[in-house]
Amino acid sequence: RKEVEQDPGPFNVPEGATVAFNCTYSNSASQSFFWYRQDCRKEPKLLMSVYSSGNEDGRFTAQLNRASQYISLLIRDSKLSDSATYLCVVNEVGNAGNMLTFGGGTRLMVKP
Amino acid sequence: DGGITQSPKYLFRKEGQNVTLSCEQNLNHDAMYWYRQDPGQGLRLIYYSQIVNDFQKGDIAEGYSVSREKKESFPLTVTSAQKNPTAFYLCASSITGWTNTEAFFGQGTRLTVV
Repeated sequence: RKEVEQDPGPFNVPEGATVAFNCTYSNSASQSFFWYRQDCRKEPKLLMSVYSSGNEDGRFTAQLNRASQYISLLIRDSKLSDSATYLCVVNEVGNAGNMLTFGGGTRLMVKP
Repeated sequence: DGGITQSPKYLFRKEGQNVTLSCEQNLNHDAMYWYRQDPGQGLRLIYYSQIVNDFQKGDIAEGYSVSREKKESFPLTVTSAQKNPTAFYLCASSITGWTNTEAFFGQGTRLTVV
């Protein structure tokens, strides 16, 4: 079983739609969580951190559910420029220090 | 400006050759990571290092080697033992400890075996 799992998609949505992605993680000791965005043939870039209370940044909302071990990303009013792959990242802190584990990514395609 | 730099951006290798990918950071980060990404796939961890002179294997370490002689540098060698090395290689760094640490990525090296 993968440690961090995402639906690979693609999610094809029209402009203006609301779309949500989920990511599940297997290690209950995971300490922090992030969503990254990766454009084609580019490096991933941080989209937002995910806090226990949930957090919002403009059209983007991230939620963490520790009991069920998943995080979510909601994108409202989708734009063409939102088309990308969204990576879920889990940071586990243990005796060996930080371990960042990436999900396989969810591909989003926003259509006119 | 602080950042993480990978070089070269594109690299071509003949079969049977070893090649070394460079990764340098001036963010004063203790942790550094190497990932491999194949087309349409996610990131897979090759090696990581939490501190100078120490590193651990990731999920797909076979055919790769690393060193961490300096805090700023974490070079990756793709050896001839790696049977399918053509891929996009990403280096990342982060701080360590019990804090909410994000990873910063280099721009990647695209390796092609010819």
